[in-house]
Amino acid sequence: GAVVSQHPSRVICKSGTSVKIECRSLDFQATTMFWYRQFPKQSLMLMATSNEGSKATYEQGVEKDKFLINHASLTLSTLTVTSAHPEDSSFYICSARDPEVNTEAFFGQGTRLTVV
Amino acid sequence: GQNIDQPTEMTATEGAIVQINCTYQTSGFNGLFWYQQHAGEAPTFLSYNVLDGLEEKGRFSSFLSRSKGYSYLLLKELQMKDSASYLCAVMDSNYQLIWGAGTKLIIKP
Repeated sequence: GAVVSQHPSRVICKSGTSVKIECRSLDFQATTMFWYRQFPKQSLMLMATSNEGSKATYEQGVEKDKFLINHASLTLSTLTVTSAHPEDSSFYICSARDPEVNTEAFFGQGTRLTVV
Repeated sequence: GQNIDQPTEMTATEGAIVQINCTYQTSGFNGLFWYQQHAGEAPTFLSYNVLDGLEEKGRFSSFLSRSKGYSYLLLKELQMKDSASYLCAVMDSNYQLIWGAGTKLIIKP
């Protein structure tokens, strides 16, 4: 199956700093990628939909100035958590859907962010 | 509003069979997915149903009834490694995935 690579898998940062998370589709071109956040024992919550070459579409309640998404190429989307706070500590997961195989979404490995 | 319901937690015995139910109410329907997620890891794809009926894949089977807004995931010959959360997700008319909260499955020896 298609592979989506997410990096880093774990990151610890200080409050007030910014963290960038990368999501790459390795063997297909993903015109659309999705960013999710998952708090412990809760379901995946869609944060935003990232479209190549255009602005991301954010879900209600997600601050677009805080969670910057860039989808500059068909194989790379980045999520930058700006001015991170401890409440931003969470598991962030990206996914991409191969337009040739629309029957499943391929997930990155996830990034465990801890803000201290 | 859109809603996906599945039990929070289930317990089963190694070697047995367990059925995890999922009911949904969404704006449009373009398929239902089941994912397995181990603690601290990303979800992995298990199955996809878009037509009514049963899809069998090894020890796992998934059933869909669109008229009832209902699906189940059936796991046979349970193994300890099957202990995980099982997520039901529906693709709506905008091709977005709507996620259930997940069912934590505990397997006991």
